[in-house]
Amino acid sequence: NAGVTQTPKFQVLKTGQSMTLQCAQDMNHEYMSWYRQDPGMGLRLIHYSVGAGITDQGEVPNGYNVSRSTTEDFPLRLLSAAPSQTSVYFCASSSRAGAEAFFGQGTRLTVV
Amino acid sequence: GQQLNQSPQSMFIQEGEDVSMNCTSSSIFNTWLWYKQEPGEGPVLLIALYKAGELTSNGRLTAQFGITRKDSFLNISASIPSDVGIYFCAGPRISSGSARQLTFGSGTQLTVLP
Repeated sequence: NAGVTQTPKFQVLKTGQSMTLQCAQDMNHEYMSWYRQDPGMGLRLIHYSVGAGITDQGEVPNGYNVSRSTTEDFPLRLLSAAPSQTSVYFCASSSRAGAEAFFGQGTRLTVV
Repeated sequence: GQQLNQSPQSMFIQEGEDVSMNCTSSSIFNTWLWYKQEPGEGPVLLIALYKAGELTSNGRLTAQFGITRKDSFLNISASIPSDVGIYFCAGPRISSGSARQLTFGSGTQLTVLP
């Protein structure tokens, strides 16, 4: 089983550019989420979705958009990249909100 | 908010030593999760705890759900080089929305010296 698949694994952006981080899961999980990981700060929730067509903001949503058109996919969009968005981004899925989460391998993003 | 305080931040130990780390909160949690993250990878679930006082093992790893429901402990016995990584505690918190969210501790970076 692939589990949670994230692409790309690495990305460098210029300030002001936009891009979409892709996330797909094949476990038929209803709940999906995006986290960013910065040194010494653990994992912080950006956005989450409890099912297709339903999304909500997490702890650090500013500068990011999400949509959930299918159960499998949960892309994260950076509208206008800023150096403060340099981070490692993880997508996760679980069978329900608050349950054990399964993580992708991450996308390491650098904004210059 | 419901924050998790994880300690220590980092540990350097000799191969073969036992390791202890803990996670505390000012709020009650009904579930405690422990994850390990290896370099360049996403976190992987090690142990899940669902009941106050519960003690659960996974090989050389043992985790406990504190009686007060405000803390949890992870022990690693007879450490080996492949134990290197960042260990995170996590638990579901009630957010301002309707869905419970996982909140994570800041992690314990473990280095095992040969």
